[in-house]
Amino acid sequence: NAGVTQTPKFQVLKTGQSMTLQCAQDMNHEYMSWYRQDPGMGLRLIHYSVGAGITDQGEVPNGYNVSRSTTEDFPLRLLSAAPSQTSVYFCASSYRDTNTEAFFGQGTRLTVV
Amino acid sequence: GENVEQHPSTLSVQEGDSAVIKCTYSDSASNYFPWYKQELGKRPQLIIDIRSNVGEKKDQRIAVTLNKTAKHFSLHITETQPEDSAVYFCAAYSGGSNYKLTFGKGTLLTVNP
Repeated sequence: NAGVTQTPKFQVLKTGQSMTLQCAQDMNHEYMSWYRQDPGMGLRLIHYSVGAGITDQGEVPNGYNVSRSTTEDFPLRLLSAAPSQTSVYFCASSYRDTNTEAFFGQGTRLTVV
Repeated sequence: GENVEQHPSTLSVQEGDSAVIKCTYSDSASNYFPWYKQELGKRPQLIIDIRSNVGEKKDQRIAVTLNKTAKHFSLHITETQPEDSAVYFCAAYSGGSNYKLTFGKGTLLTVNP
């Protein structure tokens, strides 16, 4: 049982490049979400999904796209990377029922130069 | 949407002392309040949570209290140890049919030997 797996762990992009951060979970969780973590800002929700085929915006969605074609995978796409997107990105998943623990991936440290 | 305020942003204590971190939330419909611990370079991990029908919950040296009327909840760590040093995040689940877990900005706890 691997839990929540994110790839890559580290990435450097040039301004304007695009890339996809991968997130996969093997716990059959309905809910998946993406957060970014910046110093002094806590964890801010980018996008989330309540099930396959359903996604919605969080607090800071601009510049990011998501899709949820399967229960297991929830990739995050950066369309045209900007230095302001330099951050640590965490994917999380949990069961659909409220009041349940969110499990986090190990994070992706992204630098945009 | 939900807004979670967390104080203090940094906290330094001597080993063996107690530490208290406080959070307030804005959405009266919120009904689940987890606390996460994040060690340097690691992913956030759940340490304790409380549901809105409970006023207090304890797990060994860690306790959480919830005051629904005042919309605030607190984390209490007794007999602190150096391994308690980490960033602690409070969060609130904003309820409803969509899953949104809103985090505070975090508290850096340093336990000095």
